[in-house]
Amino acid sequence: GENVEQHPSTLSVQEGDSAVIKCTYSDSASNYFPWYKQELGKRPQLIIDIRSNVGEKKDQRIAVTLNKTAKHFSLHITETQPEDSAVYFCAASTHASGGSYIPTFGRGTSLIVHP
Amino acid sequence: DTAVSQTPKYLVTQMGNDKSIKCEQNLGHDTMYWYKQDSKKFLKIMFSYNNKELIINETVPNRFSPKSPDKAHLNLHINSLELGDSAVYFCASSLTGSNTDTQYFGPGTRLTVL
Repeated sequence: GENVEQHPSTLSVQEGDSAVIKCTYSDSASNYFPWYKQELGKRPQLIIDIRSNVGEKKDQRIAVTLNKTAKHFSLHITETQPEDSAVYFCAASTHASGGSYIPTFGRGTSLIVHP
Repeated sequence: DTAVSQTPKYLVTQMGNDKSIKCEQNLGHDTMYWYKQDSKKFLKIMFSYNNKELIINETVPNRFSPKSPDKAHLNLHINSLELGDSAVYFCASSLTGSNTDTQYFGPGTRLTVL
């Protein structure tokens, strides 16, 4: 089955700095890579995603890069703000025959942005 | 106008009991999921279900079973609860064949087994 490694487990930055979270996956059949943000006591929410036919995607201060050959993908947050503090999860997904997709999540990165 | 809802929000029960958690989505999605998030925040998929197939994570004990009365609901039944079942359980839904595979999560149910 798929195995997703996520690093670092904790990331502490100053407000305004950039933050980078990295993930690797093992199954070359994985073709969809979402990133979720989970604030304390809340549900995970999608913040950005990328498909295997794209190398990079950007949405305002957030960007994701994917290297299919090396099987790794990264989340980049620029100009971090205290409200970016949360746990971030990467996932690698394959599609089942019925159409649903089965994600395997990384273990999460706790991002702390100090004012 | 909550998109994905779960009940109850908190569930405290004794070992050996049988319990259910309900999930409903009003997004018109055709696929629903159950996840378990343990105390270390590890998020693990338990089931994926749509009208074409049920996919079960092979590590999930058969004490857990999903029941779907219709496309908008996927309930989770747990028999003979154990201490290790204590966790937050999230329901989620998505629309297959759409341009995005975004999963929308419910608010979670915190299960505590005493």
